[in-house]
Amino acid sequence: GAGVSQSPRYKVAKRGQDVALRCDPISGHVSLFWYQQALGQGPEFLTYFQNEAQLDKSGLPSDRFFAERPEGSVSTLKIQRTQQEDSAVYLCASSLAAASYEQYFGPGTRLTVT
Amino acid sequence: AQTVTQSQPEMSVQEAETVTLSCTYDTSENNYYLFWYKQPPSRQMILVIRQEAYKQQNATENRFSVNFQKAAKSFSLKISDSQLGDTAMYFCAFSATQGGSEKLVFGKGTKLTVNP
Repeated sequence: GAGVSQSPRYKVAKRGQDVALRCDPISGHVSLFWYQQALGQGPEFLTYFQNEAQLDKSGLPSDRFFAERPEGSVSTLKIQRTQQEDSAVYLCASSLAAASYEQYFGPGTRLTVT
Repeated sequence: AQTVTQSQPEMSVQEAETVTLSCTYDTSENNYYLFWYKQPPSRQMILVIRQEAYKQQNATENRFSVNFQKAAKSFSLKISDSQLGDTAMYFCAFSATQGGSEKLVFGKGTKLTVNP
């Protein structure tokens, strides 16, 4: 079946602009995660949803970052007033159930802030 | 807080040879999962192998196997009969089974190059 998809794949934003990144998880997957991967680094956790409930947002670096999953399926990560340090690949992952622990990753959105 | 350390930024191996990637972690949890993920140049992260901490038997998946030493908090990945398609970044990751969040904590990765 279809895997996790993310759009756009690439985004260039001028500093100060707002951006919205979309994640379509695998159909039926309960859990959804967002990670930020800086160049040459491992992914770092941003936030976690179980269905529509945001259970952990401890990794969001500032209040400029906001994520939602209103119907328990598609999720959007929004970054307001983008800064150069926000440049990174944003990865979305989903897993089948709350206790499955196997996460399936999307291809990521590469955000470049100029 | 959990941490994952991969001490080998880059490694190379000849095709058909065996290579071992190292990973250590730090946690106060007793129940947890450990993973190795592969990220080819196209960037889609793929699960290679998973180990439950309560299982003493080391996990194996075809040419991939792990050496899990719980007391030493070590979790190395062995790739046998290396293939050109194994060239990728490899990330070791940890997930606690308690606390409500199943987030993965990743190491910085090891860049593996398989040479023909």
